[in-house]
Amino acid sequence: SQTIHQWPATLVQPVGSPLSLECTVEGTSNPNLYWYRQAAGRGLQLLFYSVGIGQISSEVPQNLSASRPQDRQFILSSKKLLLSDSGFYLCAWREQVWEKLFFGSGTQLSVL
Amino acid sequence: GESVGLHLPTLSVQEGDNSIINCAYSNSASDYFIWYKQESGKGPQFIIDIRSNMDKRQGQRVTVLLNKTVKHLSLQIAATQPGDSAVYFCAELLGTNFGNEKLTFGTGTRLTIIP
Repeated sequence: SQTIHQWPATLVQPVGSPLSLECTVEGTSNPNLYWYRQAAGRGLQLLFYSVGIGQISSEVPQNLSASRPQDRQFILSSKKLLLSDSGFYLCAWREQVWEKLFFGSGTQLSVL
Repeated sequence: GESVGLHLPTLSVQEGDNSIINCAYSNSASDYFIWYKQESGKGPQFIIDIRSNMDKRQGQRVTVLLNKTVKHLSLQIAATQPGDSAVYFCAELLGTNFGNEKLTFGTGTRLTIIP
């Protein structure tokens, strides 16, 4: 069966520090991969998605970037974090031929 | 712009009663809808989905109804239990080119089950 791993679960970082969140999917190949951000008490905002290795689409201009160095690995990065980068970050995946999206357990990022 | 919204941000239901969570969508071209449940501090979990060629779909204790005429989606949870307390999101899918379509999420409804 397919599983998605996302880490770390929580992260506290100072303003101006770098960021690297990692997500891996097991049990499938060539999935679509997604990064979402969720502000407290709010809905999900799509940040990036990828349909293949090295293929990244950005949904909103921001201080973050994403990379997909391997088929089932998706990384969210920042060179210098801002206070506004705080939030709950969710990685998700789906098969290319199915619409159902599966989410990871999330990373709570606090930028102080 | 197009959006998915929810009528009520919070809903409290007595344990054992049925609950109905509503969702309005504005894009008549959307062809797939999905409901997620999100518990505090966790990622959203899939509950049930429905395609636009259907009006109703049932799962275990849950039913999704789709009214395309008024662009309305609802999630019915039967015989609610304390474990049903969570935030529920609806989402719509636009597009048919696999890989490029994206789910658009509503802001969510917080369901609280009263013991």
